[in-house]
Amino acid sequence: EVVLTQSPATLSLSPGERATLSCRASQSVSSFLAWYQQKPGQAPRLLIYNASNRATGIPARFSGSGSGTDFTLTISSLEPEDFAVYYCQQRSNWPPTFGPGTKVEI
Amino acid sequence: QITLKESGPTLVKPTQTLTLTCTFSGFSLRSSGVGVGWIRQSPGKALEWLALIYWDDDKRYSPFLKSRLTITKDTSKNQVVLTMTNMDAVDTATYYCAHSFRGYFFDYWGQGALVTVSS
Repeated sequence: EVVLTQSPATLSLSPGERATLSCRASQSVSSFLAWYQQKPGQAPRLLIYNASNRATGIPARFSGSGSGTDFTLTISSLEPEDFAVYYCQQRSNWPPTFGPGTKVEI
Repeated sequence: QITLKESGPTLVKPTQTLTLTCTFSGFSLRSSGVGVGWIRQSPGKALEWLALIYWDDDKRYSPFLKSRLTITKDTSKNQVVLTMTNMDAVDTATYYCAHSFRGYFFDYWGQGALVTVSS
């Protein structure tokens, strides 16, 4: 299976700052990578699919980039509601797998 | 508006079989390309994809759990059912059902059902 590694494990930032989250795949997943946001007690929410496409209703401050094995989720200016855990997920290789998550904390 | 909701027991004993039902609205599993999947999350841990069923009854399972999982659908009731046999304490988790998007991405999720395995 494809192993996804996310870094850093925790990112401590302030509202208004820029957040840069990394996801690295153990082998190429082309552009078949998604990013999800999860808040405590809630289900994950799809933010980005196919590496760089924002899902419906996702604010423009969220952007994704990368291909192959290295991907980045950028939040251009953190809003208070953006403090959460972020997961990447690949669907290129069987079975679909998720990364361990990056916690963005205040 | 697409919604999904999981239902089932909150507590099961080791070796028992877990049956979870996902009841959805806002889409039809008769429509081409539509799929519903199950994903779980152990307490404080990451997400694990379990199974997915498509509109044409194509079924896919995690290779690590395939021998224990069965996924079925009832299109007349807008439901998808997941059964997992031989439950163990390590299967304690929140189980989510979700609407598949572009294959194995998931754009709408249920609220999750916490299942505890304990005697």
